[in-house]
Amino acid sequence: QLQLQMSGPGLVKPSETLSLTCTVSGGSFSSNSYLWAWIRQPPGKGLEWVGSVSYSGNTNSSPSLKSRVAMSVDTSKNQFSLRLTSVTAADTAVYYCAPYSTSIGWFDPWGQGTLVTVSS
Amino acid sequence: DIQMTQSPSAVSASVGDRVTITCRASQGIKSLLVWYQQKPGEAPKLLIYGASSLQSGVPSRFSGSGSGTDFTLTITSLQPEDFATYYCQQADSFPLTFGQGTRLEIK
Repeated sequence: QLQLQMSGPGLVKPSETLSLTCTVSGGSFSSNSYLWAWIRQPPGKGLEWVGSVSYSGNTNSSPSLKSRVAMSVDTSKNQFSLRLTSVTAADTAVYYCAPYSTSIGWFDPWGQGTLVTVSS
Repeated sequence: DIQMTQSPSAVSASVGDRVTITCRASQGIKSLLVWYQQKPGEAPKLLIYGASSLQSGVPSRFSGSGSGTDFTLTITSLQPEDFATYYCQQADSFPLTFGQGTRLEIK
């Protein structure tokens, strides 16, 4: 049973870079069955897919965020990471990490979520 | 991008009622539709995948149907723990997109 643990700062200053890491346990990280995904949810609003990265490092991201998003993997640590540059208040959200099943199309299970607030 | 539109945005119902939530895709997505339940302060939980397949451990009062562009989530005999927000998500193509959510409230 996959488990995901998120880490990273909860407060980021405007124009700076948001960095989050998700550590995966309980399953195969280096598998073609999954893409490793980031989803965010602004306070009181709906879910937005941010992007996904394969264990080999291939990425796919939301067109609206593509110019500011970078994702990477560290297979030695079973970790994947998100960097979002030039953040503004609009990037304030709960960020989730989750595996995306390439065969079934679901996100499951989800990390616990981290509220990242962009504020000076 | 495929736009996902849920209706209604909010619905009030009583324990024991039957509720149906609709999700419409802006283009055909075959049966590549997933439903999640989210309670306040919690991460979303997978309910249904492939439009109609119930995730293990999810009560049988939840069911899904549809294909192409029109999908429904039905909850029969509502229980107190079912009051939450429900989201659909298309898995047909990138960028992956979600509906805006339907809040199910206690009447």
